[in-house]
Amino acid sequence: GAGVSQSPSNKVTEKGKDVELRCDPISGHTALYWYRQRLGQGLEFLIYFQGNSAPDKSGLPSDRFSAERTGESVSTLTIQRTQQEDSAVYLCASSRRTSGSSPYNEQFFGPGTRLTVL
Amino acid sequence: AQSVTQLGSHVSVSEGALVLLRCNYSSSVPPYLFWYVQYPNQGLQLLLKYTSAATLVKGINGFEAEFKKSETSFHLTKPSAHMSDAAEYFCAVSGGFKTIFGAGTRLFVKA
Repeated sequence: GAGVSQSPSNKVTEKGKDVELRCDPISGHTALYWYRQRLGQGLEFLIYFQGNSAPDKSGLPSDRFSAERTGESVSTLTIQRTQQEDSAVYLCASSRRTSGSSPYNEQFFGPGTRLTVL
Repeated sequence: AQSVTQLGSHVSVSEGALVLLRCNYSSSVPPYLFWYVQYPNQGLQLLLKYTSAATLVKGINGFEAEFKKSETSFHLTKPSAHMSDAAEYFCAVSGGFKTIFGAGTRLFVKA
């Protein structure tokens, strides 16, 4: 596609419900990132996928958070038993393959999913 | 480990005035530094990046930033602000795949 897309753009849910957020990266981008952006704050790294390698989940804040990615395509971020503190914008980004010769490729961001937990 | 500090959560300038957004970083390895811009209800867009080539980096929309190792700074500047520059700006540092973002500075441009 032309850019990174995310769905839904907005999600309102009740405390305790599960939510699933979707990210479609740019075609051919092997690296995919999830970030959380709380109101008025910077981006908080959540998880990183690179091709078929094991993902780096070091940023996930609790075991209620999980993410999957099918090959080098779509990724879903799942939040179980949502809490009000989970309210934030969840941003997805993708980049071309990172390697020793090109480790810092530009990340292309989607528009985000605004999650509101009531 | 890397970290980023952006001085000033809000900056207000008049149209046509100099824009200066401050960023200081900490890195245990030679850093790669970035500035991203976020317009309302949009994702982040790369403005410019420093990757150990020239210390003065030129980006899109007339922005530039200078890497100063002695000051561990990577401040973003633009000689003349335009109303369309009103947005949130994020400085970021990377020492590997994981990029650490600053808290952001919201730029207001007054007519």
